[in-house]
Amino acid sequence: KNEVEQSPQNLTAQEGEFITINCSYSVGISALHWLQQHPGGGIVSLFMLSSGKKKHGRLIATINIQEKHSSLHITASHPRDSAVYICAVRDYSGGGADGLTFGKGTHLIIQP
Amino acid sequence: GAGVSQSPRYKVAKRGQDVALRCDPISGHVSLFWYQQALGQGPEFLTYFQNEAQLDKSGLPSDRFFAERPEGSVSTLKIQRTQQEDSAVYLCASSYSGVSQPQHFGDGTRLSIL
Repeated sequence: KNEVEQSPQNLTAQEGEFITINCSYSVGISALHWLQQHPGGGIVSLFMLSSGKKKHGRLIATINIQEKHSSLHITASHPRDSAVYICAVRDYSGGGADGLTFGKGTHLIIQP
Repeated sequence: GAGVSQSPRYKVAKRGQDVALRCDPISGHVSLFWYQQALGQGPEFLTYFQNEAQLDKSGLPSDRFFAERPEGSVSTLKIQRTQQEDSAVYLCASSYSGVSQPQHFGDGTRLSIL
């Protein structure tokens, strides 16, 4: 089973700061997801990537397949970015369950 | 609706009771996933359907857990003889086709077993 580790577990920053959240995994994957979860449970899919880099607005996700590592960056952070950010991976077929394996999440608080 | 809909939003049951949780995926989505999220933890995979076929149920924690999707759209997760350790948020997600597509999540059902 893939082991997904995220760091930091908790992060408090000031509005406007550049934020980086890291994710590492132990077994080769076919895709990695970054998800955002607000209080109350709703999960939103931010990115799905298998190589390189993706950008959407102020969010940037990168992945290094060789190093089994991904990062999520938030530029010009805002209090509305406060949420739990979760990294999840999909193993190559045959290597595990068909669903995603999730990290425990990074709890981000952006203070005004 | 446009998103994945789960009901009920909250469920409180006494230990030993049976519960049924419902998921309405996005219309046309072939794949449907159930996850269990304990307090303060990331979600854990339970089971996966492609249309009406349950292709993977390796994450179901015991034979008290049962899921079905008889017509390939709405799915029900049933837990029999509930235990306190079943208390969690149960999340449903759907994707257009297969496990390699982005998953769209519902808001979850928060289950509390007294």
